[in-house]
Amino acid sequence: AQTVTQSQPEMSVQEAETVTLSCTYDTSESDYYLFWYKQPPSRQMILVIRQEAYKQQNATENRFSVNFQKAAKSFSLKISDSQLGDAAMYFCAYRGSGNTPLVFGKGTRLSVIA
Amino acid sequence: DVKVTQSSRYLVKRTGEKVFLECVQDMDHENMFWYRQDPGLGLRLIYFSYDVKMKEKGDIPEGYSVSREKKERFSLILESASTNQTSMYLCASRNSPGAGSTNEKLFFGSGTQLSVL
Repeated sequence: AQTVTQSQPEMSVQEAETVTLSCTYDTSESDYYLFWYKQPPSRQMILVIRQEAYKQQNATENRFSVNFQKAAKSFSLKISDSQLGDAAMYFCAYRGSGNTPLVFGKGTRLSVIA
Repeated sequence: DVKVTQSSRYLVKRTGEKVFLECVQDMDHENMFWYRQDPGLGLRLIYFSYDVKMKEKGDIPEGYSVSREKKERFSLILESASTNQTSMYLCASRNSPGAGSTNEKLFFGSGTQLSVL
């Protein structure tokens, strides 16, 4: 079974600085999809960024970018120019090929210090 | 916008009670999911369904069952609630534009915080 590991239960960053959240996964598939979700105190899950495994180019969404290392099975999230509104739980997730559910990591709680 | 509605935001039940958690989506999605979220454990998949009357076990189905009689509604049932089922329950639905399509999206409800006393 696929597993997703987030090794940092908690992280903190100064406002306007950059922070990187780590994620590794285990799979034997070659075709899959990776995601980062944000969950603020409102509990609403928000998709931050998505990466297709067949794409070599790292995905970017405004201040959010990923470092996707397929051989190392690593998928880290970089948040640049951190803002107070970035404070949340961040979940890394994996989906295999076909119509399969998402598998989530345990999450990283990010605090942003003013 | 797609809406996934969970019937209760907070729920308090007693051990041994039968508990129904309801989830309704308004976009004709075929795929629906129930996750449980606990601090330090992330989201764990309980059950999912790809179509009406279809259900598949997730990673932690013990103590739960589901019902999907209509496409828009996916119910999670705790047959006899226990204190270790105190948790936050998240429902999600997903469209099916084609495997791998960038238009594929997973939509979450706001969660039900269930306390079993």
